[in-house]
Amino acid sequence: GQQVMQIPQYQHVQEGEDFTTYCNSSTTLSNIQWYKQRPGGHPVFLIQLVKSGEVKKQKRLTFQFGEAKKNSSLHITATQTTDVGTYFCAGHNQGGKLIFGQGTELSVKP
Amino acid sequence: NAGVMQNPRHLVRRRGQEARLRCSPMKGHSHVYWYRQLPEEGLKFMVYLQKENIIDESGMPKERFSAEFPKEGPSILRIQQVVRGDSAAYFCASSPSWVAGNEQFFGPGTRLTVL
Repeated sequence: GQQVMQIPQYQHVQEGEDFTTYCNSSTTLSNIQWYKQRPGGHPVFLIQLVKSGEVKKQKRLTFQFGEAKKNSSLHITATQTTDVGTYFCAGHNQGGKLIFGQGTELSVKP
Repeated sequence: NAGVMQNPRHLVRRRGQEARLRCSPMKGHSHVYWYRQLPEEGLKFMVYLQKENIIDESGMPKERFSAEFPKEGPSILRIQQVVRGDSAAYFCASSPSWVAGNEQFFGPGTRLTVL
């Protein structure tokens, strides 16, 4: 079945450093979504990418969708302690089911 | 506009008991999804329902688990004869329609602990 892999599983950074998480799908995706889950919280939708090669920015966050629509990345510039949490990518399969990656847990040392 | 509501937020059961988890979707949303999250793992799709219909239950274990979304009232995820391995966070999400690309709005989750 379709798999969505995410790396790294954990990332520890010093406040102010950059952070990137990568997402790869075994099949072409119609779109990719990114969610953030704070410790003890629930996933919250961040953004959706639809077009091949699309790049979207939200303040210090930059999201990219690969040309082949099989991979995506999330880059955070100059991390802050408020960025702490687990970042999940998720892609829709043919049946409309949302397949989540395993997530990248980000910790930020002040 | 209330978000997705789940209750209880925490549930403790002994092995062999039944667990009932409830989810009320956002107003205007007719599509409900249930996910399970084991400690330090991602979200695993369990089931997708519309009112009175199970659309996709490919992620549901074959035994002991069932889900419904009646015409009136919340969606229910039912786990019979719970075992320790059922301990997890169970999240419900809703969306206004099936269309791939719709954002899913998640509830706060029910954290099930099986003793």
